[in-house]
Amino acid sequence: SQKIEQNSEALNIQEGKTATLTCNYTNYSPAYLQWYRQDPGRGPVFLLLIRENEKEKRKERLKVTFDTTLKQSLFHITASQPADSATYLCALAGSSASKIIFGSGTRLSIRP
Amino acid sequence: GAVVSQHPSRVICKSGTSVKIECRSLDFQATTMFWYRQFPKKSLMLMATSNEGSKATYEQGVEKDKFLINHASLTLSTLTVTSAHPEDSSFYICSAQTGVGQPQHFGDGTRLSIL
Repeated sequence: SQKIEQNSEALNIQEGKTATLTCNYTNYSPAYLQWYRQDPGRGPVFLLLIRENEKEKRKERLKVTFDTTLKQSLFHITASQPADSATYLCALAGSSASKIIFGSGTRLSIRP
Repeated sequence: GAVVSQHPSRVICKSGTSVKIECRSLDFQATTMFWYRQFPKKSLMLMATSNEGSKATYEQGVEKDKFLINHASLTLSTLTVTSAHPEDSSFYICSAQTGVGQPQHFGDGTRLSIL
């Protein structure tokens, strides 16, 4: 069955360092992959979308890579700040359907 | 842009009550809206997909007579939890999408507590 794994349930890093979150998937051939941020008690907020033919995408301090051979996406936050503390969700979607499947998320904590 | 408003944010009611949750896209037209359920520290579980003017498509294991979805316009979808029981208590979140392959924009969720 299709499976999405975000390897770390929680990640704690020092302010100023680069946070790297991992998303792996099996039994799936996604057309695109998305990353969302979710704060406690709130709905997810869209951050970045990367398509299967793209290797890397950047937006300000965020960078996403997509390796369809390894079936993996990495999400980087450079120069991390305490305000970046949140749960980050990866989500996959196929080209033949509009619904997406979410990973369980990684709770990121940036300590001052 | 791409703001989705979900109302109410919190509901506490007695067992047997029916509860209606509204999801509105404020500044764009949504061809498709989705309803999710999220348990504490768990991922979002898709309940159903609704397209404007047509019947919702429910995921396996989701009772369509229990969770009634109406998508009457391109900016409004409603989820009604009928005859709610304590096991229906959860965090319900809607999202709206302008088209296939586009990001989903989420509401802030509804915390439903059934006593």
